[in-house]
Amino acid sequence: DTAVSQTPKYLVTQMGNDKSIKCEQNLGHDTMYWYKQDSKKFLKIMFSYNNKELIINETVPNRFSPKSPDKAHLNLHINSLELGDSAVYFCASSSQGDSSEKLFFGSGTQLSVL
Amino acid sequence: KNQVEQSPQSLIILEGKNCTLQCNYTVSPFSNLRWYKQDTGRGPVSLTIMTFSENTKSNGRYTATLDADTKQSSLHITASQLSDSASYICVVRVRGSTLGRLYFGRGTQLTVWP
Repeated sequence: DTAVSQTPKYLVTQMGNDKSIKCEQNLGHDTMYWYKQDSKKFLKIMFSYNNKELIINETVPNRFSPKSPDKAHLNLHINSLELGDSAVYFCASSSQGDSSEKLFFGSGTQLSVL
Repeated sequence: KNQVEQSPQSLIILEGKNCTLQCNYTVSPFSNLRWYKQDTGRGPVSLTIMTFSENTKSNGRYTATLDADTKQSSLHITASQLSDSASYICVVRVRGSTLGRLYFGRGTQLTVWP
């Protein structure tokens, strides 16, 4: 299936741990994103990459580090997890040639920090 | 300040009934407005896109309207079905902006009861 896939679907961990979320898209897109959706369902961009190059880096704690080994992958590593990091994290992709910037989202990773 | 406001925050309707969701934005300069549907536990999926010159666009039972003068959009759902239960998110793109510089509404949570 052509899609944006992210793993794991659920991630439960304790404060202070380090965790990673992986994302892969097989749509041939050259731009990938990480969004955070809080408890009020508001989606907020964290990072965007275009052809492995960081384009957007919002005011996210430096405990969050994205890594793009190639344009089909954008992983998110989080160090020293805090309670406030609990949220749903969505990976997305789009085609740079699409001026309308239609986003294709993964199914999300529910992160719960205990 | 660029903002996207949606109303109502939540809505409950009976199966078979129609409903209209509202989106007001102050984003400028305007490029396009997209409606996404987000099922529970899934990522948002694009329903339709409205550009400056478009007033109405339909996608099956979904009809979006745009009034660029008043900066308002609506999403009308006809003959609702149980599967329409989801969050509907309005997203506005700024003309000439960096990829990923989108403005998200908080969504309208629609529940369709049998």
